[in-house]
Amino acid sequence: GAGVSQSPSNKVTEKGKDVELRCDPISGHTALYWYRQSLGQGLEFLIYFQGNSAPDKSGLPSDRFSAERTGGSVSTLTIQRTQQEDSAVYLCASSLPSGSTDTQYFGPGTRLTVL
Amino acid sequence: KQEVTQIPAALSVPEGENLVLNCSFTDSAIYNLQWFRQDPGKGLTSLLLIQSSQREQTSGRLNASLDKSSGRSTLYIAASQPGDSATYLCAVMDTGRRALTFGSGTRLQVQP
Repeated sequence: GAGVSQSPSNKVTEKGKDVELRCDPISGHTALYWYRQSLGQGLEFLIYFQGNSAPDKSGLPSDRFSAERTGGSVSTLTIQRTQQEDSAVYLCASSLPSGSTDTQYFGPGTRLTVL
Repeated sequence: KQEVTQIPAALSVPEGENLVLNCSFTDSAIYNLQWFRQDPGKGLTSLLLIQSSQREQTSGRLNASLDKSSGRSTLYIAASQPGDSATYLCAVMDTGRRALTFGSGTRLQVQP
């Protein structure tokens, strides 16, 4: 079946612009995660959605970052007023509901470059 | 705060060798531990997941062990092949929190 998909695969933007990154999780997966992978910081958690529960936003680095998940499926990560330090690969993952297998399945990522 | 360390950072071996990748974590209150593989420019592929109550998991030539009390996991790769060349990441899920904390990875090169 189809895996996690993300779009765009690459995004180049100018400092100060807003960007939106999209994630389509695996069908039936109620949990959705965003991570960021950068050269200096490795792979770090950003935000987690589980069904209709309030999201865990504890990993968001600043209030310029936000995410939403509409209809319990597609998620959009928005970065406002982008800075050069936001350049990274943004990875999305999904998993089955808590209590079953917790394996997280990752998408190919969006490479964001802020000039 | 959970911290995950992987040793070595890079490893180069000839084809056919058995090898061990190491992962350590500072807080033993984990829910599970996962090993992932990442190929250049690609996302992560889950290899093995070990629940906190388990000691090991096996898949083909891969075997992962978990010693929760000492905060250690190892990934054993038998009879390595050039196609095993990739970065291997260890990640833990803490009890009560769904986010994964990742190590910095071991970059493996298997020479033909």
